Amino acid sequence: DIQMTQSPSSLSASVGDRVTITCRASQSISSYLNWYQQSPGEAPKLLIYAASSLQSGVPSRFSGSGSGTDFTLSISSLQPEDFATYYCQQSYSTLFTFGPGTKVDIK
Amino acid sequence: EVQLVESGGGLVQPGGSLRLSCAAFGFTFRSYAMTWVRQAPGKGLEWVSAISGSGGSTYYADSVKGRFTISRDNSKNTLYLQMNSLRAEDTAVYYCAKDRVDSMVRGTFDYWGQGSPVTASS
Repeated sequence: DIQMTQSPSSLSASVGDRVTITCRASQSISSYLNWYQQSPGEAPKLLIYAASSLQSGVPSRFSGSGSGTDFTLSISSLQPEDFATYYCQQSYSTLFTFGPGTKVDIK
Repeated sequence: EVQLVESGGGLVQPGGSLRLSCAAFGFTFRSYAMTWVRQAPGKGLEWVSAISGSGGSTYYADSVKGRFTISRDNSKNTLYLQMNSLRAEDTAVYYCAKDRVDSMVRGTFDYWGQGSPVTASS
């Protein structure tokens, strides 16, 4: 199975900050990498697919990059509604796997 | 508007069975693969199972293989997850999700249901 790791596991930031989250795959997954946002008590929401494509309706302050084994999710200017947990997920292998999550909370 | 509505969750004793349903609205159900993802209390997301649009291809996580069965009824626009031999570690909120692209299982999930809680406990 392909293992996914994320760093950091949590971070504290202020409204307006730029935030970067890193995801690493245990083997090359090309660009088969998705990012999801989950707010407490809610279902996950797709933000980025294919490493860098913005899902329809998602604000442009979110961006993704990377290929192979190393990927990043960036939020250019953190907004109050962005305080949530973020998960990466590989879709290279049909045994789909998620990263452990990165919780972004208010400093 | 795409909407996915899960039902069928609840409390079951270890070793018991439960069937989850996911009713789909607002898109051509048979044209999209579907998946189940679960989340144990306070934990992260775990992919469980996926099925192609026709139902002809199915996939399972090792943790549920041989115990869970995914299926779909395209005439009823409904996805199912039959869960047998339930264990305490199967306790989680179960989400159904729609594949973004087409009827093949590709693993990008663009719409999710609200989740159905399952508790396996005596």
